[in-house]
Amino acid sequence: GAVVSQHPSRVICKSGTSVKIECRSLDFQATTMFWYRQFPKQSLMLMATSNEGSKATYEQGVEKDKFLINHASLTLSTLTVTSAHPEDSSFYICSATTGQSDEQYFGPGTRLTVT
Amino acid sequence: GQNIDQPTEMTATEGAIVQINCTYQTSGFNGLFWYQQHAGEAPTFLSYNVLDGLEEKGRFSSFLSRSKGYSYLLLKELQMKDSASYLCAVRTGGFKTIFGAGTRLFVKA
Repeated sequence: GAVVSQHPSRVICKSGTSVKIECRSLDFQATTMFWYRQFPKQSLMLMATSNEGSKATYEQGVEKDKFLINHASLTLSTLTVTSAHPEDSSFYICSATTGQSDEQYFGPGTRLTVT
Repeated sequence: GQNIDQPTEMTATEGAIVQINCTYQTSGFNGLFWYQQHAGEAPTFLSYNVLDGLEEKGRFSSFLSRSKGYSYLLLKELQMKDSASYLCAVRTGGFKTIFGAGTRLFVKA
């Protein structure tokens, strides 16, 4: 089956610093990747949709300049949380689609803690 | 607006059957998904319905009624490992998917 990886799995950073999270499709080319954020005991909130080679489409309320998304290749998308604050602490999950089936393949998630 | 409703928590007994309901009101509909998520892990795919009716897959079944904006996930022969959150999600257009808040299922012995 299709496998999506994320790196790092956990990261702790200080307030004001930036953190980059990578999402890779390991055995397929992902035409579209999605970034979600999940707070404890809450569901996944879609942050943005990214297509390879084009600008990401952000959901309402998500700051483009704070959450930088780059989808440079068909197997890699990155999310950079800039000038992180404690309220950005969350579980960030990416998913990818091949464009050929209905299924979305989720990465294992990245736990970000901002101190 | 987009709205997906499902119960917050449910409790059931090992070996029993449990039905988790989901109602939705979305601007578009291109299929409904059910995912299982254990704490601290990513969601795993359970089922996908795009046409009305029941889809059965082992101990899990999912039902969809598009006219009613309603779906349910049926879990049979419950096991302790089924304790998890179950997410109802609607694909509204293209591959964009909106998730419900999830139902936390507790399976007791």
